[in-house]
Amino acid sequence: DAMVIQNPRYQVTQFGKPVTLSCSQTLNHNVMYWYQQKSSQAPKLLFHYYDKDFNNEADTPDNFQSRRPNTSFCFLDIRSPGLGDAAMYLCATSRKRTANSPLHFGNGTRLTVT
Amino acid sequence: AQTVTQSQPEMSVQEAETVTLSCTYDTSESDYYLFWYKQPPSRQMILVIRQEAYKQQNATENRFSVNFQKAAKSFSLKISDSQLGDAAMYFCAYTPSGTYKYIFGTGTRLKVLA
Repeated sequence: DAMVIQNPRYQVTQFGKPVTLSCSQTLNHNVMYWYQQKSSQAPKLLFHYYDKDFNNEADTPDNFQSRRPNTSFCFLDIRSPGLGDAAMYLCATSRKRTANSPLHFGNGTRLTVT
Repeated sequence: AQTVTQSQPEMSVQEAETVTLSCTYDTSESDYYLFWYKQPPSRQMILVIRQEAYKQQNATENRFSVNFQKAAKSFSLKISDSQLGDAAMYFCAYTPSGTYKYIFGTGTRLKVLA
């Protein structure tokens, strides 16, 4: 089945130690998104790729970076994780970058910062 | 500012009964899309139903239907014949036509009682 896969499901990192979360998709969608979801809060868009074009949200901290080496893969790098970065990170894709193109989500990676 | 409000953090429903989850939004746009997404425990978020604002007819998908009141800026989700598998976090989301940026509500956790 075509899907969005995130690895790992659970990630523990130390305060200040760089961490990378990965996402792959077999849907061949043009757009890939990274959302941060904290407990009892709405998912918050960090950035997205439209094909190779990277788009950063204005309020995304500089501590967060992303890479998309090819259509299928996208990575989220947190350069110096702080305690406030503990959250569920959701990867999503959509076929088009339009309002009526629904999002397809992965299972998420829950990040713990110790 | 565009916002989405889900005023019910948690709801319960008896199996086979009907439940309605509420969602209100604030926008000055006239053309937009509304969505309900379901996030089961430890599983990926999936699209339940979507509504195009210019369509007056309420969307339905099997046991799921919406009550879209454009003037009141209300978009509630009705689940009929509730099943145990409906237990999940439900997110209401809005996106203006011509953009890709979803604005999510904070979610409603639905419990289904056997």
